Amino acid sequence: AQTVTQSQPEMSVQEAETVTLSCTYDTSESDYYLFWYKQPPSRQMILVIRQEAYKQQNATENRFSVNFQKAAKSFSLKISDSQLGDAAMYFCAYRSQPYTGANSKLTFGKGITLSVRP
Amino acid sequence: DSGVTQTPKHLITATGQRVTLRCSPRSGDLSVYWYQQSLDQGLQFLIQYYNGEERAKGNILERFSAQQFPDLHSELNLSSLELGDSALYFCASSVGLAWTSYNEQFFGPGTRLTVL
Repeated sequence: AQTVTQSQPEMSVQEAETVTLSCTYDTSESDYYLFWYKQPPSRQMILVIRQEAYKQQNATENRFSVNFQKAAKSFSLKISDSQLGDAAMYFCAYRSQPYTGANSKLTFGKGITLSVRP
Repeated sequence: DSGVTQTPKHLITATGQRVTLRCSPRSGDLSVYWYQQSLDQGLQFLIQYYNGEERAKGNILERFSAQQFPDLHSELNLSSLELGDSALYFCASSVGLAWTSYNEQFFGPGTRLTVL
């Protein structure tokens, strides 16, 4: 079974600065997807960014980018120019590649609470 | 707004009771997933339905059951409720079984269940 580990329960960043959230995972599969979800105080789950394991290029979405290290099974999220609205809980998630026959459930880490200081 | 709706938003009930949570997927989505978010267990996958049929089961208790109806809405039934069942229950939907290269899951706003 796959596992996702987020070892830092909380982090803080100054507004306009850059912060990196860490995530490691364990799997025996070679092809899969990785995601970062944001959960603001409203509790809505919002997809921030996704990475397909077969792609070597790191995904980028505006101020959000990832550092995907497949061999190390590491998937960190970098938030540049942090804004007050970035304050939320962030979850790292894993999903098997469905053509392997596995189901497409998401496996989540415990999450990390990010606070942004004005 | 993800397009996934869940009702009710909040539910307060007593131990031993039974409740039903409802989810309407995005228009055109055939897959529905249920997740539970609790302080103890974090976010956990419970069960998935695709076009009316159960496709995958996760850490779902025997006291819990679900179904997906012909109009594709889904209901999660929780019975013999215990204090530990208090949690936020999310429904998510996706287009299909993800035969395509990518098949994003869109989450509803959740139902917060409090068992007293």
